[in-house]
Amino acid sequence: KNEVEQSPQNLTAQEGEFITINCSYSVGISALHWLQQHPGGGIVSLFMLSSGKKKHGRLIATINIQEKHSSLHITASHPRDSAVYICAVLSGTYKYIFGTGTRLKVLA
Amino acid sequence: DTGVSQDPRHKITKRGQNVTFRCDPISEHNRLYWYRQTLGQGPEFLTYFQNEAQLEKSRLLSDRFSAERPKGSFSTLEIQRTEQGDSAMYLCASSKEAKAFFGQGTRLTVV
Repeated sequence: KNEVEQSPQNLTAQEGEFITINCSYSVGISALHWLQQHPGGGIVSLFMLSSGKKKHGRLIATINIQEKHSSLHITASHPRDSAVYICAVLSGTYKYIFGTGTRLKVLA
Repeated sequence: DTGVSQDPRHKITKRGQNVTFRCDPISEHNRLYWYRQTLGQGPEFLTYFQNEAQLEKSRLLSDRFSAERPKGSFSTLEIQRTEQGDSAMYLCASSKEAKAFFGQGTRLTVV
């Protein structure tokens, strides 16, 4: 069993839909990072969380430390949101452990 | 500063050849990481530098792999005697504190 599990692995949505991607982890962490990866490989940081909730534009990220769970929400989804979304936990001071990613496709 | 830069972006090499990748981190970042990502998987940790010191190497980093960060700035990752199983995206990241910033990656294809 992976230390960081994401669900779903694949997600297809219609434009405008509200999307939720989940991340569960089994290790102690100092922070959790949501990342976006487009075809071609480049990874962009979306949020870094150690507690509570963060919002940026149409993206919302929450974390529940007690339950070892985080969610990434996309409101009013758009085709340009199509990408792979990766959850990464910071275990210790420097080592990231990554989930396998959620491949999101938003249809126009 | 334009972020973490990796070179080359793509590399195709014949099995058995040596390849070297370069990573230029964000200038004030003292921490540098190498990860490997295969298709459909999340990145896997390879190695970590704090300044010029290589503090951790994954078991994934076989004897054919070596990484350096000689002056605590840019880093190189060399793979000797490449094998088809080495085909992957090699990602570099840097950080000053907790938040890591990623490069665009070097996609290696071994034919």
